[in-house]
Amino acid sequence: DTEVTQTPKHLVMGMTNKKSLKCEQHMGHRAMYWYKQKAKKPPELMFVYSYEKLSINESVPSRFSPECPNSSLLNLHLHALQPEDSALYLCASSQDSPASSGANVLTFGAGSRLTVL
Amino acid sequence: KQEVTQIPAALSVPEGENLVLNCSFTDSAIYNLQWFRQDPGKGLTSLLLIQSSQREQTSGRLNASLDKSSGRSTLYIAASQPGDSATYLCAVKGTQAGTALIFGKGTTLSVSS
Repeated sequence: DTEVTQTPKHLVMGMTNKKSLKCEQHMGHRAMYWYKQKAKKPPELMFVYSYEKLSINESVPSRFSPECPNSSLLNLHLHALQPEDSALYLCASSQDSPASSGANVLTFGAGSRLTVL
Repeated sequence: KQEVTQIPAALSVPEGENLVLNCSFTDSAIYNLQWFRQDPGKGLTSLLLIQSSQREQTSGRLNASLDKSSGRSTLYIAASQPGDSATYLCAVKGTQAGTALIFGKGTTLSVSS
């Protein structure tokens, strides 16, 4: 299995809702990532988990809450979002973590398209 | 701070043309450079990975070159097809531990039949 699977593919939520995005990989990778991508912009790093511990948090607002239940799963909990948070949320994984000086080759999922009304 | 620039931002070509996409980066201390393809509203598909010690990589009609000292990479697409229409992103991994991939803004390619 060489895939990163993200669910749901599409999510529409109100500003008072609580929802979650899910990401799963079975490649034995030890690092997992959340990126946010707005239209016609490059992906922006949000969080990195390495060996199930949060290793990088790029000053993301607390309305985004990551969780790594085990080495294969990464969730992003969403609460009290704003319309400007509407974007494509991409999950990725890599064999090694950014904390190492290794190749850090990322495999990306297909993304979850989030719309906040 | 590493900055990655891609030129042009958009490119339209007729089917069958050979084309070159450009990527430049300001800090030559990189571990590797990756080229990705992204279809509208979709995730990223890795096309080619060039290690800092390599000069080029090839996959089918794609050839990526790397000149680390000048901070440049090119992605050459031979005999373009309408199915090549997508946004192409390059990203660099710095050698400093703790740094993640830095992406360029991408080149959006349109190949007409």
